Amino acid sequence: GAGVSQSPSNKVTEKGKDVELRCDPISGHTALYWYRQSLGQGLEFLIYFQGNSAPDKSGLPSDRFSAERTGGSVSTLTIQRTQQEDSAVYLCASSLTGLAGGRETQYFGPGTRLLVL
Amino acid sequence: AQSVTQLGSHVSVSEGALVLLRCNYSSSVPPYLFWYVQYPNQGLQLLLKYTSAATLVKGINGFEAEFKKSETSFHLTKPSAHMSDAAEYFCAVSENTDKLIFGTGTRLQVFP
Repeated sequence: GAGVSQSPSNKVTEKGKDVELRCDPISGHTALYWYRQSLGQGLEFLIYFQGNSAPDKSGLPSDRFSAERTGGSVSTLTIQRTQQEDSAVYLCASSLTGLAGGRETQYFGPGTRLLVL
Repeated sequence: AQSVTQLGSHVSVSEGALVLLRCNYSSSVPPYLFWYVQYPNQGLQLLLKYTSAATLVKGINGFEAEFKKSETSFHLTKPSAHMSDAAEYFCAVSENTDKLIFGTGTRLQVFP
């Protein structure tokens, strides 16, 4: 079956603009995660959705970052008023339930490479 | 708090040589441990994971890792490197949550 897909694959924007990044998880997966991969910070957790529960936003670096998940499927990560330090690869992952106490495999998409000029 | 340390940001081996990528973790409870591989311009692919069953875990592409609680380690090995193994490898831990905490990664180069 299809894996996790993300769009766009690349995004170049100007400092101060807003951007939206999209993630389509594997069909039937109820848990969805966003991570950021940057040269300075490595791979870091951003936010986690599980079913209809309130998302775990503990990894969002500032209030310029937000994410939503509509209909329990597609998710959009929005960065407002982008800064140059937001330049990174944004990775989305999904897992079957997100309720296995951390033992489930997370399946990753190819990422969106964001460059803020 | 959980953390993962990967010793060696770059490892170079000759084709056919042993691959050893090191990972040490810090966790207050028995962790779940993962190794992921990332090829250029691609996402992460799971190689193997430890979820408190057998301490020696076999994964894809001939890789395996051994969980050693006394050493808080989960090193990744492969007996014989192949050119196609050149990639970046990430060790990660989760501790009763579904957030993965990643190490800083090790880039593996394989020379002919």
